[in-house]
Amino acid sequence: AQRVTQPEKLLSVFKGAPVELKCNYSYSGSPELFWYVQYSRQRLQLLLRHISRESIKGFTADLNKGETSFHLKKPFAQEEDSAMYYCALRAWNRDDKIIFGKGTRLHILP
Amino acid sequence: SQTIHQWPATLVQPVGSPLSLECTVEGTSNPNLYWYRQAAGRGLQLLFYSVGIGQISSEVPQNLSASRPQDRQFILSSKKLLLSDSGFYLCAWSVPRRGTEAFFGQGTRLTVV
Repeated sequence: AQRVTQPEKLLSVFKGAPVELKCNYSYSGSPELFWYVQYSRQRLQLLLRHISRESIKGFTADLNKGETSFHLKKPFAQEEDSAMYYCALRAWNRDDKIIFGKGTRLHILP
Repeated sequence: SQTIHQWPATLVQPVGSPLSLECTVEGTSNPNLYWYRQAAGRGLQLLFYSVGIGQISSEVPQNLSASRPQDRQFILSSKKLLLSDSGFYLCAWSVPRRGTEAFFGQGTRLTVV
């Protein structure tokens, strides 16, 4: 069965420090991984997807199939990065459902 | 452009009453549709998803059901609400194409009293 694990419920980081939000997945097929972000009082929205290999708002994430991980990283945290972050897996070559991890709340300290 | 509408935004219902939450998508055809429940510490739990009219897959056996009477309409229902049904419900849609993301509605805060 597909599973997404985000081990940290809360991550507090000082402004200017590096950020790493962990995500591990379990899936027997070829995974599609995404990171979503939810800012206060806003809708859940896409941050980035592994297939695009893009950097959004300074965030990057690399899919490591050997370690089944898709950690989200940013070299220098900014106060506006404070939000809830969800890692998601899309089971494209199975039933096309999208499952999410439990989320990590990122709190940037001034 | 595509938009997703979910209503109502908030709902307070007594235990044992029925429930109907509606979600509609505009500007696309044959979308995949999803119902999630968001709870603190539990993240987004997938409840139901649909890849076509009348095709509903249930992820979690519970007191809820879903229906897709039209291509771009997804309904979450219950015949008799329980206190444990309280929560924040999110509807989402996606294009059935590799590499595309899900788009979320504003959510419904359901309180069962």
